[in-house]
Amino acid sequence: EAQVTQNPRYLITVTGKKLTVTCSQNMNHEYMSWYRQDPGLGLRQIYYSMNVEVTDKGDVPEGYKVSRKEKRNFPLILESPSPNQTSLYFCASSLGFGVAAYEQYFGPGTRLTVT
Amino acid sequence: GENVEQHPSTLSVQEGDSAVIKCTYSDSASNYFPWYKQELGKRPQLIIDIRSNVGEKKDQRIAVTLNKTAKHFSLHITETQPEDSAVYFCAATLDWGNKLVFGAGTILRVKS
Repeated sequence: EAQVTQNPRYLITVTGKKLTVTCSQNMNHEYMSWYRQDPGLGLRQIYYSMNVEVTDKGDVPEGYKVSRKEKRNFPLILESPSPNQTSLYFCASSLGFGVAAYEQYFGPGTRLTVT
Repeated sequence: GENVEQHPSTLSVQEGDSAVIKCTYSDSASNYFPWYKQELGKRPQLIIDIRSNVGEKKDQRIAVTLNKTAKHFSLHITETQPEDSAVYFCAATLDWGNKLVFGAGTILRVKS
């Protein structure tokens, strides 16, 4: 089954404790992206990757890191989480992007709470 | 920075009526405009999209119109049903398609 998976689905942590949210897709998609969703603000792009070893900042990259060592995986790293990073996080992937934009497939979401 | 504005933030309609959600964008180079539906507790899913070389696209009860001159696009849902109740997001590409910017969302309630 074609899908995007994220782990964990729910996470409660404390300020400053490094964490990683994993994202994996089995559709051989080139483009992957991370979004955070907050009430009244919609979905805001954190980072995106157009291929292996190619990543770039979205609109709200501060406090986050990503890596793309393999095509299927795109983990999101919070080196020192703070309460303002409490949010619902979505990973997404698409066949391609740029001039020929394609549908983005979203993962199930990760609900993160930082106390 | 470049953004997408979406209106209204909430919309209540009677079952069977039509619903219209409007978005405006600022980047004149935007060339792809998708609409996503997000049901409560679920992930966003694409319902329809339109590219800049097309003015209108229809899929059963859903249609999207694009006015590139005015930089706005709209989602039209006809004959609404209770299962249309959800949050709807518009989006537009930036940076020659490398980024996707979303509107803040519209909560649609269809009353039966």
